[in-house]
Amino acid sequence: DADVTQTPRNRITKTGKRIMLECSQTKGHDRMYWYRQDPGLGLRLIYYSFDVKDINKGEISDGYSVSRQAQAKFSLSLESAIPNQTALYFCATSWGTEAFFGQGTRLTVV
Amino acid sequence: GEDVEQSLFLSVREGDSSVINCTYTDSSSTYLYWYKQEPGAGLQLLTYIFSNMDMKQDQRLTVLLNKKDKHLSLRIADTQTGNSAIYFCAESNNNDMRFGAGTRLTVKP
Repeated sequence: DADVTQTPRNRITKTGKRIMLECSQTKGHDRMYWYRQDPGLGLRLIYYSFDVKDINKGEISDGYSVSRQAQAKFSLSLESAIPNQTALYFCATSWGTEAFFGQGTRLTVV
Repeated sequence: GEDVEQSLFLSVREGDSSVINCTYTDSSSTYLYWYKQEPGAGLQLLTYIFSNMDMKQDQRLTVLLNKKDKHLSLRIADTQTGNSAIYFCAESNNNDMRFGAGTRLTVKP
């Protein structure tokens, strides 16, 4: 099994719809992250969480919200999706020096 | 905000050395990383260096850090076609991790 599992892997949704991307990890790490990847821009941090009671905004949190349901689960929500949120989304978990990434969720907002 | 910058493309011939460069602005960076992304996959850690080191070697990979200039490089010796991928530089200050835009390395036979 993968250390970090993201669901769904691909999703097409309409403008204005609410959508949730889910992430679970089996590493037992406290820290979890959500990034989006856009061509030429690399990975940009949306939100991060250092434990179940800790949620922090990243550099591009507008239009997104997160929920840390348990140490192993960290979900990302788009309350009202818009086309410029079309991107590849990555969840990651870390402890210390290394971050482990999920396979990514490709989200298209039409 | 703090930035991590790297060139977007690099093309080399098989067997040559590849050098991917990165600059960053956060003087409180604790760790600096190189991640590799292959098509359709997430990021995999290649190597990292602690900010009080200036060099780290791991088989064909050599990482050089110039902390004064905030410059990080990744050298891949004897580059192979299997090294074709996007390489991300990242820095961490124990809070979040910031990534560069990624350098797409193309290795020509």
